[in-house]
Amino acid sequence: QQPVQSPQAVILREGEDAVINCSSSKALYSVHWYRQKHGEAPVFLMILLKGGEQKGHEKISASFNEKKQQSSLYLTASQLSYSGTYFCGTEGRYSSASKIIFGSGTRLSIRP
Amino acid sequence: EAGVAQSPRYKIIEKRQSVAFWCNPISGHATLYWYQQILGQGPKLLIQFQNNGVVDDSQLPKDRFSAERLKGVDSTLKIQPAKLEDSAVYLCASSFGYEQFFGPGTRLTVL
Repeated sequence: QQPVQSPQAVILREGEDAVINCSSSKALYSVHWYRQKHGEAPVFLMILLKGGEQKGHEKISASFNEKKQQSSLYLTASQLSYSGTYFCGTEGRYSSASKIIFGSGTRLSIRP
Repeated sequence: EAGVAQSPRYKIIEKRQSVAFWCNPISGHATLYWYQQILGQGPKLLIQFQNNGVVDDSQLPKDRFSAERLKGVDSTLKIQPAKLEDSAVYLCASSFGYEQFFGPGTRLTVL
């Protein structure tokens, strides 16, 4: 039931773009994205609630395909501050509580 | 606005010992979560409270883990007895809406 993230790790040069994917085998109500820097707590980036919805946060945006049970996080013109591990968290459509199941994460490293 | 507070920040114990973690959520946040994060993995939900009631504890190893939330505010998570595989960071989070605010975590090492 844990969502699957890909790739597991990405190394970019500053200014390059990246896409992180998250897929679930369950019907989803929402997808949440968090970023965790080394040694720190996860920080909320955004939530996507509707099929095909896109949201943005600085130069980071995301999409959610409800039918395919997939979400993608897009990082444009990456900055050094974007380094960290990105987690998607999925909430099942038939979940009785607002329970989020996190993926195993995608480690993003940005080089100058 | 003060964030989620947790203590202690670090704890080293031997297997079969007991340990307790404390969490003070953001004021006004009705929902409180305890997560276990093993190195290299995503946070795994152990227990979720809504005010002082348990909403989900399906992944809490109830033979050794217990948690309570007194008066719907502070919460404690206890492990008794600890096993080697309990070594992890224990994160507390609270929320009012969709966004979860995480505390700094307690890093537990079981020797």
